[in-house]
Amino acid sequence: TQLLEQSPQFLSIQEGENLTVYCNSSSVFSSLQWYRQEPGEGPVLLVTVVTGGEVKKLKRLTFQFGDARKDSSLHITAAQPGDTGLYLCAGVSGLGKSTFGDGTTLTVKP
Amino acid sequence: NAGVMQNPRHLVRRRGQEARLRCSPMKGHSHVYWYRQLPEEGLKFMVYLQKENIIDESGMPKERFSAEFPKEGPSILRIQQVVRGDSAAYFCASSLGQGVYEQYFGPGTRLTVT
Repeated sequence: TQLLEQSPQFLSIQEGENLTVYCNSSSVFSSLQWYRQEPGEGPVLLVTVVTGGEVKKLKRLTFQFGDARKDSSLHITAAQPGDTGLYLCAGVSGLGKSTFGDGTTLTVKP
Repeated sequence: NAGVMQNPRHLVRRRGQEARLRCSPMKGHSHVYWYRQLPEEGLKFMVYLQKENIIDESGMPKERFSAEFPKEGPSILRIQQVVRGDSAAYFCASSLGQGVYEQYFGPGTRLTVT
C-alpha cells in the first residue's frame, strides 16, 4: 500500500510570512501533483512534477520533487490571506491511480 | 469550457435508502475516478473506470457500493442501503488517459445520511 504523509497537518501564519509544506512517502511515484482545495469545492490542480529533482515555480509558490521521486515540498513566499486553504499532494502510479495525503490546512491571517 | 460536472451537489438520504451520484467528465476524457473525503481529511481513492470497464476498484467497500461508466451518459456511483458512516463528500475526477495524465476534479456531492 502506497502512503503519503503530509506535514504539518495544520499551519497558521501571518500575512507576509514564508512557509513550507512537506509530502513524504516510502514509495516511488511516476509523478506527483499538488492541489489546493477550498471549503465546499473540489481540489484544483496547481502543478504536476514528473522528473526527480524537478523544481517548478508558480508565482509565489515553488514546488520541488525529490531526486528519488518519493517526496515533494511546496514553499510559499510572502503568504497572503488568499492562500488559505487545504493543500493536498497526490502521488500517481504508473497505472494512473492517485494516492492522496491527508493535506495541510493553511490559514493566513491578515 | 465545461469542466467535470457532478450532481446533485447536495444529497440527503435516510438510513436504508439508495444514493445515486452522477459525474460527467470533461469533454474528451474517457477515464473517471471516484474519491471519498471526510471532513478535514484527504481524498481516499474508491474506483477507477474507463468507458464500460472498471479498471481498479480496490478502494470500494465490498458491499453496498457499485460504480459504472456506460458507453453513453455519466458515470454513476451507487450506494445501496446507506448508513450514517456513508456521510461524506464524494468527488469525481476525469483524465485523458492513465499514468501521468492530470486529473481534473468536479465540485463534489455532499451526501448526508440522517
